[in-house]
Amino acid sequence: DAEITQSPRHKITETGRQVTLACHQTWNHNNMFWYRQDLGHGLRLIHYSYGVQDTNKGEVSDGYSVSRSNTEDLPLTLESAASSQTSVYFCASSETRLDGYTFGSGTRLTVV
Amino acid sequence: QKEVEQNSGPLSVPEGAIASLNCTYSDRGSQSFFWYRQYSGKSPELIMFIYSNGDKEDGRFTAQLNKASQYVSLLIRDSQPSDSATYLCAVNFSGNTPLVFGKGTRLSVIA
Repeated sequence: DAEITQSPRHKITETGRQVTLACHQTWNHNNMFWYRQDLGHGLRLIHYSYGVQDTNKGEVSDGYSVSRSNTEDLPLTLESAASSQTSVYFCASSETRLDGYTFGSGTRLTVV
Repeated sequence: QKEVEQNSGPLSVPEGAIASLNCTYSDRGSQSFFWYRQYSGKSPELIMFIYSNGDKEDGRFTAQLNKASQYVSLLIRDSQPSDSATYLCAVNFSGNTPLVFGKGTRLSVIA
């Protein structure tokens, strides 16, 4: 069965370190998205991609980057982790731009 | 500014009752609308989508859309304790921008 997987499920890192969160989907979807979810803020868009070599910034992109070298993967990198980036991160994908999204299981990141 | 508004709740309903969840959005030209269910500690799960004005039914769930009033709702009939979760409304404001999510409404179904 097709799926979307995120790794790691939990991560603790120190302030200032570079961290990469993985997202891999086998749906063959062109569209992939990264959101963060925090109490009081809901789901907020970090970055998204509509195909290989395409990346776009979302509303909370500062301090984050993504790259899309193939259809299956959209890794999210925190360049220099900050305590404000402690959050739950969700990756999602969709077949078309008007479809609903399928979400991964999430990564809980703690920056200490 | 593209915004999706939901009451945060909690909305408490007795088992067997109808739960009504509401969502408003800021752009009358919006194209597609989604309801997600999220259990505590889990990822959002798509449960309903609607594109056209009117009602759409799927089992115990009915989505209602009124584009003129910029309003979308989700009705859950015969509510069960297992329906207790946070329900997220999401709107596709245009074909070229990602979904914008509301902050969610927490539903509690009391046995």
